[in-house]
Amino acid sequence: EVQLVESGGGLIQPGGSLRLSCAASGFAVTSNFMAWVRQAPGKGLEWVSVIYSGGDTYNADSVKGRFTISRDNSKNTLYLQMNSLRAEDTAVYYCARRSQEYSYGLGYWGRGTLVTVTS
Amino acid sequence: QSALTQPASVSGSLGQSITISCTGTSSDIGAYNYVSWYQQHPGKAPKLMIYDVSNRPSGVSNRFSGSKSGNTASLTISGLQAEDEADYYCGSYTSSSTLDIFGTGTKVTVL
Repeated sequence: EVQLVESGGGLIQPGGSLRLSCAASGFAVTSNFMAWVRQAPGKGLEWVSVIYSGGDTYNADSVKGRFTISRDNSKNTLYLQMNSLRAEDTAVYYCARRSQEYSYGLGYWGRGTLVTVTS
Repeated sequence: QSALTQPASVSGSLGQSITISCTGTSSDIGAYNYVSWYQQHPGKAPKLMIYDVSNRPSGVSNRFSGSKSGNTASLTISGLQAEDEADYYCGSYTSSSTLDIFGTGTKVTVL
C-alpha cells in the first residue's frame, strides 16, 4: 500500500529555517515524480517544488533561492529544506506523488504538515 | 504562474447535477489533455477524482465525469449526494512554466 507521511512542520520565526520530511512506503521515491504542494489557511492549492525521477528539480518563483527539494534513496524519503521563511510561507505542506497509472494527476497525497511563520 | 479560473461556489440540491468550469489558456488546457480534478474535504488532503480530462481513478464514483472544450475544462457531478460537499480544484500541465498549475478552487454546497 502506498503511504506518504509528512513531518517537520511547526512554529518558526521569520527568517528561520525548517526541513520537512515525507516518508514514503509502497514505492520508490527515486522512481517517481514527487512534489510539495502547499495551502495557506483558507486559500487554494499552490505548487512549491518538484523533483523528477531523473533528479531534475523545479521551484515556484515565490520560493526560488529559499527552498530546496531533495530525496534520500536509502531512507525512501522526500525533503523540503526551507530557509529565510516569511509569513506568507505559512501553510499546510503536502507531499504528493505522480505515478504512471494516473498520468499527470497527483494520485497520492500525504496528510500534510502545518508550517506557521510568525514572530 | 497564474491560476486557472474557477467559479468560487456552485450549489445544487440532492440528486441534481452540477458542473464546475475551469478556464485556462492555449498554453495549458487548450493545448494538452492533462487536466486533473481534485476533491478536498475540510481538514483533509486533496483526492484525485479525474485525470487526463476524463479518466477516473479506480474507486472514484462514476457520478463524476470530466470534459474539455477549447480552453475550458469541466467537472460534472451527477446525482449530487451530501458527501460531495467539498472544495474542488482543477489542475493542468502548462507549457509556460516548469510547474503545473491549479485552479482557484470551487466550493460545492449541497442544498
